[in-house]
Amino acid sequence: KAGVTQTPRYLIKTRGQQVTLSCSPISGHRSVSWYQQTPGQGLQFLFEYFSETQRNKGNFPGRFSGRQFSNSRSEMNVSTLELGDSALYLCASSLDSGTGVGGELFFGEGSRLTVL
Amino acid sequence: GNSVTQMEGPVTLSEEAFLTINCTYTATGYPSLFWYVQYPGEGLQLLLKATKADDKGSNKGFEATYRKETTSFHLEKGSVQVSDSAVYFCALGLRTDKLIFGTGTRLQVFP
Repeated sequence: KAGVTQTPRYLIKTRGQQVTLSCSPISGHRSVSWYQQTPGQGLQFLFEYFSETQRNKGNFPGRFSGRQFSNSRSEMNVSTLELGDSALYLCASSLDSGTGVGGELFFGEGSRLTVL
Repeated sequence: GNSVTQMEGPVTLSEEAFLTINCTYTATGYPSLFWYVQYPGEGLQLLLKATKADDKGSNKGFEATYRKETTSFHLEKGSVQVSDSAVYFCALGLRTDKLIFGTGTRLQVFP
């Protein structure tokens, strides 16, 4: 069974540009979450999607957005990049019956974004 | 609010030493508790979990017990190996798939 796949694994952008990251969840998983990992702030929750709907959102500015497609694949977008957006962006999927009960997340290897 | 506090690292041990990484939490409601591990260059992997008070999660020689009275979920292993060197994250989960993570504790095990 394939795990969570994130693309691209590494990318370099300059300030002001935008970036789109992709996540393919484990087959059958309907919930996809995104986290930002930085040395200073640790792991911070960005948002969570279930059945194409954003179910939860963290405390990030509106430059950070996401979406989920009917096949559960998800993308996140960061516009007007800032130096502080340099981070490892982790996607996680879970087998969620829809009850919203906290359960096991399966993480991808992440997309490492460097903003110059 | 909901939060997780775990001991700062790095924790440096010799092979076969006993490991404890402390984790305490604050939560409204009844969370599930998790330990995740991140090996260099990889994403996070679930190590163990406990869903209610007094539950003990265990995996690969690691154990943690959900202690409601002390709001703790300390990670222990009786004999660490070099291959256990990684960053360990304590986390709590409530009624959504949103997890709240601690800051992580780096474990370094030397032969």
